[in-house]
Amino acid sequence: NAGVTQTPKFQVLKTGQSMTLQCAQDMNHEYMSWYRQDPGMGLRLIHYSVGAGITDQGEVPNGYNVSRSTTEDFPLRLLSAAPSQTSVYFCASSYSRTGGQPQHFGDGTRLSIL
Amino acid sequence: DAKTTQPNSMESNEEEPVHLPCNHSTISGTDYIHWYRQLPSQGPEYVIHGLTSNVNNRMASLAIAEDRKSSTLILHRATLRDAAVYYCILLSGGSNYKLTFGKGTLLTVNP
Repeated sequence: NAGVTQTPKFQVLKTGQSMTLQCAQDMNHEYMSWYRQDPGMGLRLIHYSVGAGITDQGEVPNGYNVSRSTTEDFPLRLLSAAPSQTSVYFCASSYSRTGGQPQHFGDGTRLSIL
Repeated sequence: DAKTTQPNSMESNEEEPVHLPCNHSTISGTDYIHWYRQLPSQGPEYVIHGLTSNVNNRMASLAIAEDRKSSTLILHRATLRDAAVYYCILLSGGSNYKLTFGKGTLLTVNP
């Protein structure tokens, strides 16, 4: 079973370019989320979704858009890339939004913006 | 947000048990205690979680103090592949369902 799949694994962008980071899960999970991890820092929540058609902002949403048209997919869009968005991005999913449900993470997308 | 306190680093020898402590004195009744680990260049990996009782799974054991103000992750026989940063996180549901990663404990395993 694939679990949480993120593509691409690596990406280099120029300032001002746009791109979409893909995230897909095959576990029929209701809850999906995006985090970013910067050197020496913990993960910070960008956006999350509690089901198809429902999204909400996390701690650091500025500069990012999300949508959830299907249960399986939760893409993250950078509208106009900035060097401050250079980071490693992780997608996570869980069965539901209850404290007893663990989150399952993808392997990450390493994004560099020049 | 309820916070956790972990040692910055710990060291162990291969094939020996490892006890990773976590203090969470402000834990609320609805907070579950979760442990994740992150190996170099990989995403966080779920290890184990519990609410009040001790828990065992194929990866580790979780010992929870009776007052729930502390817990210990136990790796029964450390291997080189267990070298990672281990995060102790409190997680409750609904609008508070958010993993807040602190700095964690960097576990070094010596051969």
